[in-house]
Order: sequence, then C-alpha cells, then structure tokens
Amino acid sequence: AAGVIQSPRHLIKEKRETATLKCYPIPRHDTVYWYQQGPGQDPQFLISFYEKMQSDKGSIPDRFSAQQFSDYHSELNMSSLELGDSALYFCASSSGGGYGNTIYFGEGSWLTVV
Amino acid sequence: GEDVEQSLFLSVREGDSSVINCTYTDSSSTYLYWYKQEPGAGLQLLTYIFSNMDMKQDQRLTVLLNKKDKHLSLRIADTQTGDSAIYFCAERGGGGADGLTFGKGTHLIIQP
Repeated sequence: AAGVIQSPRHLIKEKRETATLKCYPIPRHDTVYWYQQGPGQDPQFLISFYEKMQSDKGSIPDRFSAQQFSDYHSELNMSSLELGDSALYFCASSSGGGYGNTIYFGEGSWLTVV
Repeated sequence: GEDVEQSLFLSVREGDSSVINCTYTDSSSTYLYWYKQEPGAGLQLLTYIFSNMDMKQDQRLTVLLNKKDKHLSLRIADTQTGDSAIYFCAERGGGGADGLTFGKGTHLIIQP
C-alpha cells in the first residue's frame, strides 16, 4: 500500500540558509500534518492542513511557513535556519478533515544545520 | 494544555508480555494512539482506540483504556527481539485536523 512520501530524506544546510521539505500524502488523504522531532525527543506538532486550508497550528516558529497545494501535497519552508532546527521532520496524513481515526506518518526528513 | 506521560524505559524477557502505560490529562480526547519507532526510522502506527471503548485487541496487541483515570496501556504478548523500539502514546483532542500530543516515549528493552 502507498505510504506518506517525504523528500528529501536527508539534507544539510548552513545557519541562516533556507530549506524546503516536501510531503506527498497517501492517495485520497486530504489532511496533512507536520511534526518536528529533536534528538531524543517526542514529536512536536507544528501545523496541519485540510483541503488546502490551514487547520491547526502548534509550535511552529515564525521563520517557518507551510502550505498544501491543489494536489494535496504539502511543503514546509524554513528560513533563517538555526542550529536548533536540526531535527527529524515528519509529515503525516489522514482523511476526513482529521475526523478520520488513522493518521499515518512518513519516514521523515533529517535536517542538519551546521 | 494537554499532557501525556509515559515511563521512559521498560525491560522484559523475550517471550514474556510487555505492558506499556500512559496517562493523559485532556478529558476531551477523542482518539488515543500507539506508535512504534525503531532507531533512525519513522513512526509506525500500531493501533488506536476511540475514547468510548475500553479495550481493543489486534493479534499480539491489546489496548486498555480507563477513561475515568485517563490511563491507557499497550500489552504486547510474547514479546520478541523485533519489538525492541520506542513506543509513543499520543492523544488527539477535539475535532478537525488537530495535531497529536505525544508522550516522551517508552524504550522497550528485550532481554534474551
């Protein structure tokens, strides 16, 4: 079965640079979530989208922005990168605007800021 | 805000049952989830339970929910070395595309 696809799987950026992560949800899923997991930490919710509209907002820094496109894929844009942004970034998807009960995660994108 | 608590470590012998416990504070939680994360890997959805249920069984996994005490547990029968991982409890509050609140995760260590 198709899963949540994230790209790139790994990237290395320098401080103050910009990075963009992409997420392709499971087919027919209309809801996308972004999470950040620091080393040894639990995943922290950043932001979610339903039908291309922002739905819920968590601890997303102002330097980050995201959107969901007409084909339901989503991109997380991170600017003015800091060392503390080094983390594993997960995308997850579900259907039904979040009322669906199954939320599936991608394998994550490892971001290292040097 | 919501809070989810888990023990950080659990050590069991191969073949025994593992019971991982979780407590949460949000009384409006609708769904509660268990995810498994192996080293360097993503989050694998193991199972979930709706808040109006008190038990759910799926092969070797049994989830028990005590809504009054806001206590959730995951029992893994006949624990194998492949079960070694971090297990995250997560809860979702009200409707809409609300984000999940995760616990810190329980490291399950399997002794031979």
